[in-house]
Amino acid sequence: QSALTQPASVSGSPGQSITISCTGAYSDIGGSNFVSWYQQHPGKAPKLVIYDVTERPSGVSDRFSGSKSDYTASLTISALQTEDEADYYCCSYRSNITWVFGGGTKVTVL
Amino acid sequence: QVTLKESGPVLVKPTETLTLTCTVSGFSLSNARMGVSWIRQPPGKALEWLAHIFSNDDKSYTSSLRSRLTVSKGTSKSRVVLTMTNLGPVDTATYFCARIPSGTFRNYFDYWGQGILVTVSS
Repeated sequence: QSALTQPASVSGSPGQSITISCTGAYSDIGGSNFVSWYQQHPGKAPKLVIYDVTERPSGVSDRFSGSKSDYTASLTISALQTEDEADYYCCSYRSNITWVFGGGTKVTVL
Repeated sequence: QVTLKESGPVLVKPTETLTLTCTVSGFSLSNARMGVSWIRQPPGKALEWLAHIFSNDDKSYTSSLRSRLTVSKGTSKSRVVLTMTNLGPVDTATYFCARIPSGTFRNYFDYWGQGILVTVSS
């Protein structure tokens, strides 16, 4: 099962917006609206920041937003802050009750 | 308060079998369509989904490791057990358990355990 494709790194200055892409196939991103995004700080467990492509869990900043077009999902972080520096992973549901993660993107706040 | 916690050996020899336990609290594994997945992360690498078990005992596995994995509910209703056979150095990773919330069309992991680093070495 091939992982979803994410850029290895994305950077931005405080206050700027950045977007992380996540590309899959019809069998995952293209075929469902079950894309989620996770933030992981070093040595910590991942934290859910977006689910069902666009939904934000309670307590997650509204600076995080998600979208999807065809086989590519995206996570946008607006008004970038130093605490946003972390690794970000996309995840998609696939058929037969399976899930697949992306390769991860390191976000650096310059 | 929902919590999950992984436990098991931190050092395993090559070819041995690994048994990890995820102990949950704050929710019941009996809730309709509640589920727990196992996910691992080799040092410095990406997350990899491994296996999932629902409250009704439906199970699924990643195809690449299906022959080596078994997920089950422990004797206690608050435990999920993962067994992986024939370990090799490439299986060195932090192993997480994570919850899929109850309800239909829930396909995201809302709570995660802290993870347990398992090293495979002789």
